[in-house]
This record gives sequence, structure tokens and C-alpha cells, in this order.
Amino acid sequence: EPEVTQTPSHQVTQMGQEVILRCVPISNHLYFYWYRQILGQKVEFLVSFYNNEISEKSEIFDDQFSVERPDGSNFTLKIRSTKLEDSAMYFCASSGASRGTQYFGPGTRLLVL
Amino acid sequence: DAKTTQPTSMDCAEGRAANLPCNHSTISGNEYVYWYRQIHSQGPQYIIHGLKNNETNEMASLIITEDRKSSTLILPHATLRDTAVYYCIVSDPSNAGGTSYGKLTFGQGTILTVHP
Repeated sequence: EPEVTQTPSHQVTQMGQEVILRCVPISNHLYFYWYRQILGQKVEFLVSFYNNEISEKSEIFDDQFSVERPDGSNFTLKIRSTKLEDSAMYFCASSGASRGTQYFGPGTRLLVL
Repeated sequence: DAKTTQPTSMDCAEGRAANLPCNHSTISGNEYVYWYRQIHSQGPQYIIHGLKNNETNEMASLIITEDRKSSTLILPHATLRDTAVYYCIVSDPSNAGGTSYGKLTFGQGTILTVHP
């Protein structure tokens, strides 16, 4: 069964450093998403991406964040200058034509020191 | 904010049916009801969705009231592996309402514990 994969599974970085989180969505999917979950809190929407552009983004997704689909298979989330409060689990998801039916990856646990 | 209300936690005996309720009294005509679950910090897992008719798949059944203001997810024979947080989410996948491109807004969900 096809699945969404994410790398790395864990990342530790220093405050102010740039990080890139990588995702490989399900191959025939058209819509791509990033969510995050701070420890003990709700899963929060960050951004949706379709046809090589952002469809929607949340207030969390400020100028420090960017997304890219560089090669038709990978989907990346970049945080330009990490803050302590960026520490969270980051989930990538993808969907086909039925956008509400999203398939999530296992997540990347980001720890900013 | 999430447009749904769910009990904080529920218990169920292994092998019995688990019935998880959800209130979504402000649901609009274009919005579907989706259920996801999250097992111990893994990525959320899609379970089932519906608009107004009852739905069944290999994982669960979804019962939506006629006025669409509430629904119930039924796991017919719960197992220990069904212990998870269950999220009821309303979303408009077509963006007909112009407010969403498939964004899922998660609430706190219901912590379902299945006991041996």
C-alpha cells in the first residue's frame, strides 16, 4: 500500500539555524500539506500546496517558513531561522482529488535548542 | 477553531463495539464529516467520511443524524490496537464555500482506551 514518507525522523538544531524537512507524498496525489503538533497539543495546519503554489496557509506559516516541490516527487518544508517554539512534530500529508481524505506521514520530530 | 465537540475520553472493552459521538451543530451544507485517529504521536490516520448518508468501510461505520448536527463513529469489534485519539473534523473538500482548500482543523479529540 502506498504511503507518505518523511525524513529525517528526528532532527536537533540550534536556534537560528535553517532546517529542511523532507516528504515524499503518495505518487499520484495532487494536494500536499504540512501540519505540526507541539508536544501535548493539537495537530495544527500550516500550509496546503497545489499546482506548484500555496493554496492556503495559517497564521503560523510566517515568512520564516517556505515550501517547495523541487523535483516532482519531494515536498519540502524549510524553516529559515529556527526558534525554540518551532520544536514540534511536523507531519506531511497528501491527498488525491478528495482533499479531505489525507494520508499522513510518520512525522519529523524537530528539537530546537 | 474546531467546529466539533467530542467527549474528552471513553473506555471500551476489547471485542465490544466502541461508539464515539461528535457534535457539529454548525456544519454547513458543503461540509463533510471526517474521522481520523492518532495512535501515540504517529501521523493521523484517515478512517472514514460522509456527507449525509451512513457509511461503512473495513475499519468503521459512520452514522450521521438526519439534521447532520451530530454523528457517531462505530468500531464494531474494538481491539487493543484501536486505543488512540479519535478526531471528528468537518471540512469542505471542494472549497465550494470558499473557505478551505482541504485544510483539516483538529480539535482535542476523544481518547479511546480499549481494555482487555
